[in-house]
Amino acid sequence: QVQLVQSGAEVKEPGASVKVSCEASGYTFRSYDINWVRQATGQGLEWMGSINPYRGDTDYAQRFQGRVTMTRDTSISTVYMELSSLRSEDTAVYYCARESWNNGRYCGMDVWGQGTTVTVSS
Amino acid sequence: DIVMTQSPLSLPVTPGESASISCRSTQSLLHGNGNNYLDWYLQKPGKSPQLLIYLGSNRASGVPDRFSGSGSGTDFTLKISRVEAGDVGIYYCMQGLQTRRYTFGQGTKLEIE
Repeated sequence: QVQLVQSGAEVKEPGASVKVSCEASGYTFRSYDINWVRQATGQGLEWMGSINPYRGDTDYAQRFQGRVTMTRDTSISTVYMELSSLRSEDTAVYYCARESWNNGRYCGMDVWGQGTTVTVSS
Repeated sequence: DIVMTQSPLSLPVTPGESASISCRSTQSLLHGNGNNYLDWYLQKPGKSPQLLIYLGSNRASGVPDRFSGSGSGTDFTLKISRVEAGDVGIYYCMQGLQTRRYTFGQGTKLEIE
């Protein structure tokens, strides 16, 4: 079945970096953009950025520019989100989500990973 | 960026009754192709968000017809008919007009009375 499986929980110290993976299966990996969305504890959803797995091009939310890097490895159908210079406010659950298009028509973010908890604490 | 505002933020509902959530955007989400780029997502307790509605009124695969989306431009509504216990969670609207500049509403928490 179509699914996105994310890497496990991480605990990092302030100032460190974290790299979260999102492995796709059940569909043609290169055909769908992947978005990253985060959710701080008790807070709402925040879009962080997107990557096109075919071309590798990315777009990042302005507030994360310079701190976030999204990459992909097509050989293993996996995208990565790396966030650097971590601070306590980055403690959150990070989700990857597939953006679906059908014959040029937008169809929403239809598949989500299970989420990865990142805790930033000294 | 487009700002999305939902109301109410908390919505207690009696099972079997209907519920409506409003979502407003600071810019029109109506594209020149005639589509409104507005999605609705539900995040059940302890779970990942799931897509309910895309392009304002199109139900995602597997979503019951008790869920319906309407509206155009800057004002949108999600209606849930015959609310069930399994509908509890937080509902989010999201604008998709600005591709790769997506923004979500604050979320509306639906609870069963």
